[in-house]
Amino acid sequence: GAGVSQSPSNKVTEKGKDVELRCDPISGHTALYWYRQSLGQGLEFLIYFQGNSAPDKSGLPSDRFSAERTGGSVSTLTIQRTQQEDSAVYLCASSPWRRDNEQYFGPGTRLTVT
Amino acid sequence: QKEVEQNSGPLSVPEGAIASLNCTYSDRVSQSFFWYRQYSGKSPELIMSIYSNGDKEDGRFTAQLNKASQYVSLLIRDSQPSDSATYLCAVTGGTALIFGKGTTLSVSS
Repeated sequence: GAGVSQSPSNKVTEKGKDVELRCDPISGHTALYWYRQSLGQGLEFLIYFQGNSAPDKSGLPSDRFSAERTGGSVSTLTIQRTQQEDSAVYLCASSPWRRDNEQYFGPGTRLTVT
Repeated sequence: QKEVEQNSGPLSVPEGAIASLNCTYSDRVSQSFFWYRQYSGKSPELIMSIYSNGDKEDGRFTAQLNKASQYVSLLIRDSQPSDSATYLCAVTGGTALIFGKGTTLSVSS
């Protein structure tokens, strides 16, 4: 079946601009995660959605970052007033019900802030 | 702070050899452990999960877990050039997984 999809695959933006990154999880998966991966660094957790519960936002690095998930499916990660240190690959993952830790990743969005 | 440590490598093995990848973690309450494979420029792919002490085998891959030592490993038998990738160890830590920075494996033909 279809995997996790993300768009755009690449995004180049100027410092100070806002960007929106989209994630479409595997159909039927209830949990959705956002991570980012910088060059030479590990995966950094950003935010977690599970069904209709309040999201776990503990990983968001600043209040410039926000995310929403509409209808328990598609999610959008928004970065306001982008900075050069925001340049990274942003990865989305989803998990089936009661198997939150079995995460399946999308192809990622490579964000470059110039 | 919860941490997952891996030797960054590169780990170089000849084709057909056994590759051994190691991982230690700091949070004693972690219950689930995963290995992901990440090819250059690609996203991580789940290849193994292990939840209880001992060995778990899946094809050429064997995951080993020792909770007392807070240690998890991945053995790849009959290594192939196509196994060349970065292998990420991941451990449960609250709502999300905590990932190590990965070990780069290079299998030479």
